[in-house]
Amino acid sequence: EPEVTQTPSHQVTQMGQEVILRCVPISNHLYFYWYRQILGQKVEFLVSFYNNEISEKSEIFDDQFSVERPDGSNFTLKIRSTKLEDSAMYFCASSILTFYTFGSGTRLTVV
Amino acid sequence: GIQVEQSPPDLILQEGANSTLRCNFSDSVNNLQWFHQNPWGQLINLFYIPSGTKQNGRLSATTVATERYSLLYISSSQTTDSGVYFCAVEPTGGFKTIFGAGTRLFVKA
Repeated sequence: EPEVTQTPSHQVTQMGQEVILRCVPISNHLYFYWYRQILGQKVEFLVSFYNNEISEKSEIFDDQFSVERPDGSNFTLKIRSTKLEDSAMYFCASSILTFYTFGSGTRLTVV
Repeated sequence: GIQVEQSPPDLILQEGANSTLRCNFSDSVNNLQWFHQNPWGQLINLFYIPSGTKQNGRLSATTVATERYSLLYISSSQTTDSGVYFCAVEPTGGFKTIFGAGTRLFVKA
C-alpha cells in the first residue's frame, strides 16, 4: 500500500534555529498538507498546498512557517526561528479526491 | 468553522467488551475518516466513510451525513485496540481535514 514518508522521525533543535521537515507524498496525489499535534492534544491543520501554491492556511501558520515542493517528489515545511512552543509532532499528509493518507510524523523537540 | 465533537473523551474497557464511539459535526462534509493513533504516535486510517456503513474485521463504522454524525463500533476489544481514536472531516469546499479531540481508549487484559 502506498505510503507518505517523513524524515527525520525525531529532530532536536536549539531555540532560534531553523528546521526543515521533509515529506515524500504518494506519487499520484495532488494535494499536500502539514498538521501539528502538541503532546496530548488534538491534530491541528497548518497548511494545504496544491499546484505549487498554498490553498489554505490556519492561524498557526504565520510568517515563521513556509512550505515548498522543491522537486517532483518532496514536500517540505520550514520553521525559520524555532520557539519552545513549536515542540510537537508534525504530520505530512497527501490526498486524492477526499481520501487523506498521513505519514508517521516527525517529532520536533525545541530545547 | 466546522466543529467536530467526539464522545466519550475517555473509555476503559475490559478485554472482550464492545464499545461505540461517536463523532458529531456541525456542518456538511465531503468526507469523514476514522483514525487510530497508536502508542508510537502513528495515525492509522481505519475507515473512509462519508456516508453509509463499512466493516473491517472487529471494527465497523456508520455515518449518517444528513444527521451529521458517525459511529465507530469496536467489538470483542483487545489490548492492542488501546490508543486514541480520531474522527476527521473535510468540510464542503475546504482543502483540509479537521480533527475532533479524540477518544482515548484503554483496554485492560
